[in-house]
Amino acid sequence: DVKVTQSSRYLVKRTGEKVFLECVQDMDHENMFWYRQDPGLGLRLIYFSYDVKMKEKGDIPEGYSVSREKKERFSLILESASTNQTSMYLCASSSAGGFTEAFFGQGTRLTVV
Amino acid sequence: DQQVKQNSPSLSVQEGRISILNCDYTNSMFDYFLWYKKYPAEGPTFLISISSIKDKNEDGRFTVFLNKSAKHLSLHIVPSQPGDSAVYFCAASPAAGGGSEKLVFGKGTKLTVNP
Repeated sequence: DVKVTQSSRYLVKRTGEKVFLECVQDMDHENMFWYRQDPGLGLRLIYFSYDVKMKEKGDIPEGYSVSREKKERFSLILESASTNQTSMYLCASSSAGGFTEAFFGQGTRLTVV
Repeated sequence: DQQVKQNSPSLSVQEGRISILNCDYTNSMFDYFLWYKKYPAEGPTFLISISSIKDKNEDGRFTVFLNKSAKHLSLHIVPSQPGDSAVYFCAASPAAGGGSEKLVFGKGTKLTVNP
């Protein structure tokens, strides 16, 4: 059974803090993704990684960075958290080669106060 | 510019009837289409997919139809059950390879199935 695990279900951080969201997958997937979900806006891609140390910007990368030092782990970093980054963050992974679904973690509800 | 569009934010149907959720896309490079179901405070779960070489894929109560010329797909749920009440996301992906396999999602349609 594929498992994508996000380190926290709920987080509350202060404005200006550096925030780390961690994601681990156990299926040896090449691709990993970070999305955020906001009401009325759907899932928007923040960053995408198709290999260790490789990353590509998604649709809304501003204010975020990522790190992928190991194949199974993909971290999302909020360099200086702001209130407009309050959201549900979703990590996903998929295997390379196309025509395969992405598997999602349970999500992290981040509140920046 | 939104590449995957779900124009109905919500849909309400009676238990036992058919639910039809629609999705349109603009990028002709999309080759693979998926539907995800999401409950509140949980991650999306994969429901059903279809590749561009097919026009229909069926899995139990769920059927996805693809009309490539119209750049339109739809998800049919028959019969609808109250447990189907969730937000449904349509997603699309370009052809495989070269790091291009990122999924693009629509904004979602909230389905409510009334007992």
